[in-house]
Amino acid sequence: QVQLVQSGAEVKKPGASVKVSCKASGYTFTGYYMHWVRQAPGQGLEWMGWINPNSGGTNYAQKFQGRVTMTRDTSISTAYMELSRLRSDDTAVYYCARVIVPIAAAGSPFDYWGQGTLVTVSS
Amino acid sequence: EIVLTQSPDFQSVTPKEKVTITCRASQSIGSSLHWYQQKPDQSPKLLIKYASQSFSGVPSRFSGSGSGTDFTLTINSLEAEDAATYYCHQSSRGFTFGPGTKVDIK
Repeated sequence: QVQLVQSGAEVKKPGASVKVSCKASGYTFTGYYMHWVRQAPGQGLEWMGWINPNSGGTNYAQKFQGRVTMTRDTSISTAYMELSRLRSDDTAVYYCARVIVPIAAAGSPFDYWGQGTLVTVSS
Repeated sequence: EIVLTQSPDFQSVTPKEKVTITCRASQSIGSSLHWYQQKPDQSPKLLIKYASQSFSGVPSRFSGSGSGTDFTLTINSLEAEDAATYYCHQSSRGFTFGPGTKVDIK
C-alpha cells in the first residue's frame, strides 16, 4: 500500500534552515509528482511547491521563492523540502502529498499525504 | 493567484442533518476543484476530486457539484464521525486552498 513517511519534529532558531524528508513506498516513486503543503497552528493549508521526482524539476509558490529548495533521491524513494532563513511564522506542520495522476500532470488532487512534520521556530 | 472563499466558516449540525458547504473561486477553474476532510491532528483526506468525482473508499453520503467558479460539497445524513474541517482546493492554475469550514456536531 502507498505510504509517505516523514521525518520527525524539529526545533530551530530564527535564521536557521530545516530539511524535512518524505520517504515513499508502495508505488513507483518517479511516477508521481510530490507536493509540499504547510499548516500553521490553528490555520488552514498553504501550498509551497512541487517536485517532479523523475526529472528533479520544481515549481515553488512565489511566497517561498528564494527560501525553499525541493530535492529528491530516487535511490531511496525520498523527497526533501528545505526551508532557509526561518522565522517564527514558519512554525507549522509540513506535509508531503502525492498527486493522484501519474507523471502526466502536476495539476491534480492529492490522494496520499505524509503524517506531517512539526517545525517549531523559536529563539 | 486564484483565491478560494468558503462559506460558512463554521457550522454546528445535529446527526442525520444535511450539510452544504460552498466554495467560490475568484476566476473560472473549470472542474479542477477538490475537497478534503481534516480531523484534528490528522493529515487531510481526499473526498471529492474534479468537482464531483468521489474518491475511492469515501462514503456515499459525501457528494460534490459545480463548475466554473461555484462549487458545493454536500454531506447527506451527517454522522458523528464527520466532525472535521473541510477544505476546497484548486489545481487549475497554480494551487490554492480555501480557508476551511469547520463542522461541529451538536
